[in-house]
Formats: sequence, structure tokens, C-alpha cells
Amino acid sequence: DAKTTQPNSMESNEEEPVHLPCNHSTISGTDYIHWYRQLPSQGPEYVIHGLTSNVNNRMASLAIAEDRKSSTLILHRATLRDAAVYYCILPRDNYGQNFVFGPGTRLSVLP
Amino acid sequence: DADVTQTPRNRITKTGKRIMLECSQTKGHDRMYWYRQDPGLGLQLIYYSFDVKDINKGEISDGYSVSRQAQAKFSLSLESAIPNQTALYFCATSTATGAGYTFGSGTRLTVV
Repeated sequence: DAKTTQPNSMESNEEEPVHLPCNHSTISGTDYIHWYRQLPSQGPEYVIHGLTSNVNNRMASLAIAEDRKSSTLILHRATLRDAAVYYCILPRDNYGQNFVFGPGTRLSVLP
Repeated sequence: DADVTQTPRNRITKTGKRIMLECSQTKGHDRMYWYRQDPGLGLQLIYYSFDVKDINKGEISDGYSVSRQAQAKFSLSLESAIPNQTALYFCATSTATGAGYTFGSGTRLTVV
């Protein structure tokens, strides 16, 4: 199974950009990179996913390295509501579906 | 109403008791999953189902069983609960295209 490595925790000030890194050096050519986040006392929620090109949506941007061995989730202006655990995930199996959720990165946002 | 509904939200049960956690969805997704989360850790896959007739074991299926009663319903059973099954349990659904999972709000289970 392809695995990901993320920092255990990060801190950011409110209204500043946040760059959350993820290493996935064993990624295969067809694996999408997915990001989820888990707010306190809630289930994980989808943030963004991508294959090769950088991706943007209303929640965040995903920057994928050219060799695809790393990616960065970018929150352009962190708010207190963005404090959560962020998971960088690759598919577990050949169906491209089952995900392995590691410990993730706990993001704290300071007012 | 939530897209993925889990019941109960909280449950305390005794060691050795049988307990069922239920999940229903209105997303129309074919694929459903049960995950377990221990404090401070990520999520571990227990079972998953790609359609009503398809059930598969995940990483930590021992001590658990599941039933896919319909496309919209996927239940998780602990046949004989033990204290180390105390955890937060999440149900999730997805389409076949891998566009993303939708999770329920979780069931907090305590086995005493």
C-alpha cells in the first residue's frame, strides 16, 4: 500500500495562509491524492483531491509536485473554523477506493 | 436530514453483550464502509461493501460482522463486545468513481 507522511501538528495565525505538507514517495501513477479534514466531534469531510495538476476549490488549493512524491494543501486564509485534523490519503487497493487514514496533521489556528 | 445517519450516537454496553450499530444513507451511493477511530489516532477500516451482495473485510475485522440490508443500509455488529472495542465508529459512503467519501457523525461506543 502506498503510504503518506505528514507532520503531527502545525500552528497558524488567523487570516494567514497555511501550507500543510504531505510526502507520498511510493505513490503509483494512477493514484489520486485525497485530502480530508476532521473537525472536533465530527466525521471526516472531503476537502480536495487531484492527480497531477494543481487543483482549486472553494475550500482549499492542492499543489502537487511534478514527480508526484509530495503535495501541499493550501488554506489561503486560515480561520478559527479551520482548526482540525487534516488527512492526506492515497487509495489502499487496486479499486482506488479504500483509504488508509493515518494520524494526520492537527492544525491549530491562533486568534 | 443528514446524508449519512448513524444510530445510536452514543452507547454504553457491557462486556459480552451483542450490539448493533446502524447506518443509513440518502446519497444513493453504492459503496459503504465502517471505520473505527481510537483517541488521537487515524481511522481503521473494519468492513466495506461495494454493493448489496458484496461484503469485504478491512484491516481490523476480527470481532465484528456486518450486514448490508439494502443499498441504503449497512449495519455493524459486535457479537460479544470487549472493552478494547471502546472507540468512535464511523460509517461512510462513496460513489464508484472515487470522488470522495461522505461520513456520518459517528457512534461513540463504550464497553464496560
